[in-house]
This record gives sequence, structure tokens and C-alpha cells, in this order.
Amino acid sequence: GIQVEQSPPDLILQEGANSTLRCNFSDSVNNLQWFHQNPWGQLINLFYIPSGTKQNGRLSATTVATERYSLLYISSSQTTDSGVYFCAVVDYGQNFVFGPGTRLSVLP
Amino acid sequence: DTGVSQDPRHKITKRGQNVTFRCDPISEHNRLYWYRQTLGQGPEFLTYFQNEAQLEKSRLLSDRFSAERPKGSFSTLEIQRTEQGDSAMYLCAELADTQYFGPGTRLTVL
Repeated sequence: GIQVEQSPPDLILQEGANSTLRCNFSDSVNNLQWFHQNPWGQLINLFYIPSGTKQNGRLSATTVATERYSLLYISSSQTTDSGVYFCAVVDYGQNFVFGPGTRLSVLP
Repeated sequence: DTGVSQDPRHKITKRGQNVTFRCDPISEHNRLYWYRQTLGQGPEFLTYFQNEAQLEKSRLLSDRFSAERPKGSFSTLEIQRTEQGDSAMYLCAELADTQYFGPGTRLTVL
């Protein structure tokens, strides 16, 4: 089945810093999403981005489907950005496959 | 608040007992997914429904696990003869334009 890798596994930032999170996937996909899981466990969709670039406030994402990767950019990070960021893709069975996540800690 | 609700939020049970979780999606017509998440890992797909039809099941879903969506609305996930390895967060998600996750049910098997 499709493999999803994320890097880095852990990231510690000072408030106000910028960061880039990466998601690599092993096969063609027609659906890719980025999620944020807050410290209470709730998963929130950030972007549906099978290709191209999208922006939402301080967050933006770019997927280069032909090269099988996606990037999530966080600018001017805040402590509320802390949590785990997951990339998820849809495999041929129409099932979502999640990566292992990047754990982000933003320090005040 | 995504609108997808799950009940209970926490469940502690003894090994060998049966447990049942419920998921109420926003819409009756969207796909409904069940995932399991263990500490430090991403969610792992278990099964999904389109209306009342269960279309796909992961090999993670042993014969002790059963899921239903009887009227194409809410769904239940039952685990029989629980084992300590079943301890995890069980997540339900509804697929509309994107996936909307419920808050999860955290299961602890003693």
C-alpha cells in the first residue's frame, strides 16, 4: 500500500518563528489533506490540497503531485499552533492513509 | 465543533469485556470512517460506510471487531472480548468536502 512519511518528527520553535513541514508519499494520489491535532486530541482539517498552493491566514500549503510531496508552512508561529500535524492521502481503495505526524511545540 | 459526535468520550473496561462506541455524523448521506489511534502514531484506517453499506475493512479489524451503520445515519463499533492491545483512541470521521473528525473515544483496557 501507499507509504506516507513526514519530517521532521519533532520541532520546537520560539513564538514568532516560521517553519516548514514536509510530507512525502510513495504513489500517485488524488486526495491529500493536512490536519492539526490539538493537545486534547481533536483533529482539525487545515487544507484539502491534492495539488497546487493554498493559503489560510498564517498557514499555507503546497503539493507537487508529480514529485510526490507536500509542504505545510507556518509563519509567525503562536503557542496555539502546538500539537501534531498530520498529512493524509487517499490510496486506491479510497482509504485515507495518515503519516506519522510532526509534533510541534511553540514556546512563549 | 465539527458537528460529528462520539459517545462515550472515555471508556475503561476490564480485559475480556465487550464495549460499544457510537458515532453520530452531521449528514446521513456522507461516508463514515472509523480509525484507531495509538499514542505517538497517526490514525489507522479500520473501516468505512457509504450509507448503510460497509465497503471496506482493514486487516486491523479482527473478528472481535464489528461495525454497523443500520440506517445509514449513526454508526456503532463493537469490540468483543477486549484485550489490553485494544487500548487506543477510536476516531470517527465523516467525509463531505473534506474529513470532519469527531472528538474520539479513548478506550483503556485493564
